Amino acid sequence: KNEVEQSPQNLTAQEGEFITINCSYSVGISALHWLQQHPGGGIVSLFMLSSGKKKHGRLIATINIQEKHSSLHITASHPRDSAVYICAVTQKTSGSRLTFGEGTQLTVNP
Amino acid sequence: DGGITQSPKYLFRKEGQNVTLSCEQNLNHDAMYWYRQDPGQGLRLIYYSQIVNDFQKGDIAEGYSVSREKKESFPLTVTSAQKNPTAFYLCASSLAGVNTEAFFGQGTRLTVV
Repeated sequence: KNEVEQSPQNLTAQEGEFITINCSYSVGISALHWLQQHPGGGIVSLFMLSSGKKKHGRLIATINIQEKHSSLHITASHPRDSAVYICAVTQKTSGSRLTFGEGTQLTVNP
Repeated sequence: DGGITQSPKYLFRKEGQNVTLSCEQNLNHDAMYWYRQDPGQGLRLIYYSQIVNDFQKGDIAEGYSVSREKKESFPLTVTSAQKNPTAFYLCASSLAGVNTEAFFGQGTRLTVV
């Protein structure tokens, strides 16, 4: 079993829909990261959080430390949101190293 | 602009040849990382370095080598000992310590024929 699990693996939505991507982890963490990978391959950091909730534009990330679960929400989705969204954690025992989930491929259709 | 530069974006090599992937950062980050990405799998750590002239093996270091002679540069060599080198390679950097944001390069897609 992977230490970081994401669901769903693939997600197709219509423009304007509210989207949720889930991440569960089984290890003690210092922080959880949400990353976005566009078709060209480059990765951008969206959020880093260790508790509560963060919001940036139409993106919201939440984390529940007790349940070892995080969600990434996208409100009013747009085709330009189409990308792979990756959850990663820094484990308490591994310093700054990241452990990654397999990613969620999101496609938003116009 | 500060960032991480990986070059080249696409690389083709014949089987049995060593190849070196470049990674340069001007973010003044102490820590640098190399990851490998295969279809349907999460990124896996190959090597990382937390300070100049020092580096550690990650989870899949066999068949790879690195050097960290300068803070800005962390080149990765894919040797002929790597059994399945065709993959997408990503370089990242961060400040030292925990809970620091990671910055990624655009990646190099290596194809060995």
